[in-house]
Amino acid sequence: DAKTTQPPSMDCAEGRAANLPCNHSTISGNEYVYWYRQIHSQGPQYIIHGLKNNETNEMASLIITEDRKSSTLILPHATLRDTAVYYCIVRPLWGSGGGADGLTFGKGTHLIIQP
Amino acid sequence: NAGVTQTPKFQVLKTGQSMTLQCAQDMNHNSMYWYRQDPGMGLRLIYYSASEGTTDKGEVPNGYNVSRLNKREFSLRLESAAPSQTSVYFCASSDRSNQPQHFGDGTRLSIL
Repeated sequence: DAKTTQPPSMDCAEGRAANLPCNHSTISGNEYVYWYRQIHSQGPQYIIHGLKNNETNEMASLIITEDRKSSTLILPHATLRDTAVYYCIVRPLWGSGGGADGLTFGKGTHLIIQP
Repeated sequence: NAGVTQTPKFQVLKTGQSMTLQCAQDMNHNSMYWYRQDPGMGLRLIYYSASEGTTDKGEVPNGYNVSRLNKREFSLRLESAAPSQTSVYFCASSDRSNQPQHFGDGTRLSIL
C-alpha cells in the first residue's frame, strides 16, 4: 500500500471548517483514498472515500488533487464532538494484488476543536 | 442494529493463560478483520477473513489463531498469552474487501 503523510496535530475553532491535509505521492492508479476517525477509546469510524473525483456525504467532503498525490478532508462546521484522531489511508481494490485486505493505519492527525 | 459486537470489553490474564475474543456482526458482511492497537499507535492487522471459510494472516499474526465460525462470527484466540500482547483489540467487518470497514468498540486486554 502507498504510504501517507499527515500533520500530527491541528486545532480548529468550533463552528469553523476543519481542513485536514494528507500527502500520498506514491499512490497507484487503482488505490482509493479512505478517511477514518477514532474518538478516544472507541473503534475507528468510517468517514468517506474516493478514487479521483471529489466526494461529499453527510459527514464531510473529500477533495483529491488532479494528480492524486494529495487530498484534503473537510469538516464544514466543526463541533466539539469532532475532536478525534483522523486517519488518511490508501489501499488497492480487492483482487488487485495488494496483499492483505486490511487497512494500514499510520499515526493520523489529532484534531482538537476549540470552543 | 448492533453492527459489530465484541466480547468481553475488558479482560485481565496471567502470562501463559489462553483466551478467545469473540466478534459478531449483524450486517451480513462477507469480510471480517482483527486488529490490535498499542498506546499512541495506529491499528495493525492481525488476521482477516475475506469470506466465510477462509482466513489469512495480516501484519502481526504471531501468537494468535482465528476461526471464522460462520458468516456472522470471527473469533481470535491467544493460546499462551504474553505481556507483549497487552493491547486493545478491534474487530471489523465489510461487505467486500474494498468497501468501508465497520468497527466494534474493542476489547481491552491486559496480560500480567
